[in-house]
Amino acid sequence: AQKVTQAQTEISVVEKEDVTLDCVYETRDTTYYLFWYKQPPSGELVFLIRRNSFDEQNEISGRYSWNFQKSTSSFNFTITASQVVDSAVYFCALPSFQKLVFGTGTRLLVSP
Amino acid sequence: DTGVSQDPRHKITKRGQNVTFRCDPISEHNRLYWYRQTLGQGPEFLTYFQNEAQLEKSRLLSDRFSAERPKGSFSTLEIQRTEQGDSAMYLCASSLTSGRAYEQYFGPGTRLTVT
Repeated sequence: AQKVTQAQTEISVVEKEDVTLDCVYETRDTTYYLFWYKQPPSGELVFLIRRNSFDEQNEISGRYSWNFQKSTSSFNFTITASQVVDSAVYFCALPSFQKLVFGTGTRLLVSP
Repeated sequence: DTGVSQDPRHKITKRGQNVTFRCDPISEHNRLYWYRQTLGQGPEFLTYFQNEAQLEKSRLLSDRFSAERPKGSFSTLEIQRTEQGDSAMYLCASSLTSGRAYEQYFGPGTRLTVT
């Protein structure tokens, strides 16, 4: 069965610090997707990125970057120069047939 | 482009009452999903539709829960004889079935409190 582990429950940083959120997954599929979502205090889950297991290249989007390593079954998310608006719960997810299996999330608190 | 909408955003009900939630997906999306999220946890899958067909139901979806998507557009989730354990955020999501399938876009959720 698909499983996602986010071992970091909560991380606190000061604005402008870099922060990495860890995600470790388990799957027997040979090809698969991985996702990151952001859930701000308003509650809505916001899609951030989808990666295909074929592509292990790191991806960068502005201050966000993702490091996918099949060898360690990890898909880590780094925010560079964090801002207060980055405060949210971040979820890593893995499809299981048509549904998404989520980790328990990492709460990021960015203080001014 | 209109996103996924859900109504109501908050619902407080007494134990034993029935409640119904509505979800309007992104218009061109033919898959619609329901998830439940309790405090400190990630969303857990409940059920999904492709057009009007309900294709999968989680064992979390007890017989007190029923979901419909009669015309393949909006969906409703009804909980009968609510229990305090039903208190949670109920999230709706939608997606395409090809191309960027699996990219699920979520609504703001309905927070249910059962007193």
